[in-house]
Amino acid sequence: EAGVTQSPTHLIKTRGQQATLRCSPISGHTSVYWYQQALGLGLQFLLWYDEGEERNRGNFPPRFSGRQFPNYSSELNVNALELEDSALYLCASSTGHMNTEAFFGQGTRLTVV
Amino acid sequence: DQQVKQNSPSLSVQEGRISILNCDYTNSMFDYFLWYKKYPAEGPTFLISISSIKDKNEDGRFTVFLNKSAKHLSLHIVPSQPGDSAVYFCAASPPGTYKYIFGTGTRLKVLA
Repeated sequence: EAGVTQSPTHLIKTRGQQATLRCSPISGHTSVYWYQQALGLGLQFLLWYDEGEERNRGNFPPRFSGRQFPNYSSELNVNALELEDSALYLCASSTGHMNTEAFFGQGTRLTVV
Repeated sequence: DQQVKQNSPSLSVQEGRISILNCDYTNSMFDYFLWYKKYPAEGPTFLISISSIKDKNEDGRFTVFLNKSAKHLSLHIVPSQPGDSAVYFCAASPPGTYKYIFGTGTRLKVLA
């Protein structure tokens, strides 16, 4: 069974541009989570989608947005990129049921120059 | 406000000995806790979890202990192996939100 897949693996953008990151959850999983791991920091919660709707977002500016598609895959969009947005962006999926673990993809390394 | 805290950024242990990684949380309503292991350039891998109705959960070399009164959980790895060298994150799931709040991680180095 395929795990959570993210694309691209690496992404280099210039300041002010937009970045789009993609995530395909494990088959059967309806919840998708996005996390940011900046250098030397822990996993910061960005967004949670379930059944196509945004359920919760972390303490990030509105230029971080996303969506979940009918097939439960998800996109994370980062507009007006800043140098500080350089980080590893991790996507995770779960069944959406209570007290279950989330499974992570390998991440997208975004570098803003 | 960091709701899940891992106060030790790093830990070194000799191969074969016990590794104890600690995690504290502030919200007594958290009811599900998880540990993840992360290697460089990879996504976190789920290790073990525990529900707040338990105080211990064991899976092979990994045991998680939960002390609800102290709002503290720990991960014990026995015996430690060089392949266990990684960053370990604890996470908590607030009831009803189905999201996961992570600590800042502890880098474990197991010395051969």
